Amino acid sequence: AQSVAQPEDQVNVAEGNPLTVKCTYSVSGNPYLFWYVQYPNRGLQFLLKYITGDNLVKGSYGFEAEFNKSQTSFHLKKPSALVSDSALYFCAVRDKWRDDMRFGAGTRLTVKP
Amino acid sequence: EAGVVQSPRYKIIEKKQPVAFWCNPISGHNTLYWYRQNLGQGPELLIRYENEEAVDDSQLPKDRFSAERLKGVDSTLKIQPAELGDSAVYLCASSLESARDTQYFGPGTRLTVL
Repeated sequence: AQSVAQPEDQVNVAEGNPLTVKCTYSVSGNPYLFWYVQYPNRGLQFLLKYITGDNLVKGSYGFEAEFNKSQTSFHLKKPSALVSDSALYFCAVRDKWRDDMRFGAGTRLTVKP
Repeated sequence: EAGVVQSPRYKIIEKKQPVAFWCNPISGHNTLYWYRQNLGQGPELLIRYENEEAVDDSQLPKDRFSAERLKGVDSTLKIQPAELGDSAVYLCASSLESARDTQYFGPGTRLTVL
């Protein structure tokens, strides 16, 4: 079975500070991992994905995520947060041999000026 | 390039009434998904189409939910009759079959069942 856990419902950071949004996963095979962002009244937008290769993946808007196989984690990071980064962030996983993707419950990121 | 279009954006109905949602995917995307997103949760897949074929409908409650994608382009998701627990945001997404891992989502339809 595939599953994703986002242990924090809410993350608050000050503008200019680094941010981390945590994600852990469980799959039976090799994982494909994703981050999506959802702004109010808008659909989810793709940020980045890990399929294979370098464990550090760079995505849109200056975000990056690090795949850690031993810790089964795929935390989202950004060196310097912007107020406009405030949104709902979803981690998702799919097993390499399956077609369906499982989403976490989401983490609300608030960046304060 | 136009994104995924969904209508209506909001719908309020009384329980036991029927309701339908429409989705037009990005042009050329042959894979289409319907998700349900309950409050405070991530999206959950209801059904996935490859062209006009429903290839994964294992999570679709077939007693009251139905979907169609007759010409392999736009799609309709129907609930009949609606129940209170169906209140949620219904999201449509599309992708290229060759790049299924990058899904593009529409803005969703927020359904409220009274």
